[in-house]
Amino acid sequence: KNQVEQSPQSLIILEGKNCTLQCNYTVSPFSNLRWYKQDTGRGPVSLTIMTFSENTKSNGRYTATLDADTKQSSLHITASQLSDSASYICVVSEASYDKVIFGPGTSLSVIP
Amino acid sequence: NAGVTQTPKFQVLKTGQSMTLQCAQDMNHEYMSWYRQDPGMGLRLIHYSVGAGITDQGEVPNGYNVSRSTTEDFPLRLLSAAPSQTSVYFCASRGTGVLNTEAFFGQGTRLTVV
Repeated sequence: KNQVEQSPQSLIILEGKNCTLQCNYTVSPFSNLRWYKQDTGRGPVSLTIMTFSENTKSNGRYTATLDADTKQSSLHITASQLSDSASYICVVSEASYDKVIFGPGTSLSVIP
Repeated sequence: NAGVTQTPKFQVLKTGQSMTLQCAQDMNHEYMSWYRQDPGMGLRLIHYSVGAGITDQGEVPNGYNVSRSTTEDFPLRLLSAAPSQTSVYFCASRGTGVLNTEAFFGQGTRLTVV
């Protein structure tokens, strides 16, 4: 069964600190993996996309990694800001049926 | 571009009432979908459509109907609201094919059924 798991479920960090969010998936055949950011009361917005051949991709202070062999991805946030407080959702696209599978999300709170 | 527009933003219904959540997109996307999001849970797919005149069930379709008469609009109908349908509903659209997987979401509709 195609599944996407994320850890931790929630995380609280101090402003200025770094953090790493994890995503494990069992989706096959794999097409690509996206990280979305969902601010409270808003719809999710795509941060980055990783395809099979990509190991690392950065978007400002956000860096995503992908290990297609172990089916793991991470999202690293550097020098966190209060505006980073949000839910971060890992979404994996399945290649054969054009389906996307959403993870449950990690809720990040950045406190001053 | 407005992107994906959902209305209303908030709604309170009594058990047994019916209503329609509206969703419109102006990106000429073929694929549209409805999700519900409950506390501590991920987005769950209710119904989706791969083009005008074509709809299909997602993971949690019971109690909901959809139709897709135009590319732009994808309304979600609650036939007889139940407290279990209290949730935040998101409409999303994207292109079709494995190279068009970025979903664009509306602002959400917060529905409370009492």
